[in-house]
Amino acid sequence: GEDVEQSLFLSVREGDSSVINCTYTDSSSTYLYWYKQEPGAGLQLLTYIFSNMDMKQDQRLTVLLNKKDKHLSLRIADTQTGDSAIYFCAERNFNKFYFGSGTKLNVKP
Amino acid sequence: GAGVSQSPSNKVTEKGKDVELRCDPISGHTALYWYRQSLGQGLEFLIYFQGNSAPDKSGLPSDRFSAERTGGSVSTLTIQRTQQEDSAVYLCASSLGGGGEKLFFGSGTQLSVL
Repeated sequence: GEDVEQSLFLSVREGDSSVINCTYTDSSSTYLYWYKQEPGAGLQLLTYIFSNMDMKQDQRLTVLLNKKDKHLSLRIADTQTGDSAIYFCAERNFNKFYFGSGTKLNVKP
Repeated sequence: GAGVSQSPSNKVTEKGKDVELRCDPISGHTALYWYRQSLGQGLEFLIYFQGNSAPDKSGLPSDRFSAERTGGSVSTLTIQRTQQEDSAVYLCASSLGGGGEKLFFGSGTQLSVL
């Protein structure tokens, strides 16, 4: 079955860049996503990329996709304390979405 | 509605009781998903609806779990004879379906089984 892997924790200082990495196994995924979850809340869609793209930039967020290595990353520029949350990587294959276990980002002032 | 709405936001129940969790998707969204998130874990897929039918129920953990959707809108997830291991956050999400690529989540129902 599909498997999405992420590291569990990342700690950065305010103002630095954060890079959250994800690997997946399903080469037929059509879309890949990054979601953000703040405490007590549901998942908020941050950004997504179509599988035939290799980069997408949206303000402070940059998504890189290496389809050959099945590697997805999310770079957050100028990380703020409000970016502290759990970030989930997800892939879509037909009508099913598969999620990683989430990376907890801690931003130190 | 403006977003995916779930109720109740919190539910505390005793072991052995039945519970019903409700999800009201975004208006016009034909696809609806239920996920379970245990403490510190990722999202576990439970069931997917397209319209009122459920083409994929493969994630339901046991026959104590069932879900239905009526009128192509509201969905109810029912857990019978709850067990302590059912304690988790139950998340509902919806998308346009038919190729709609964005999945929108509700805030979840925190279920605690004592």
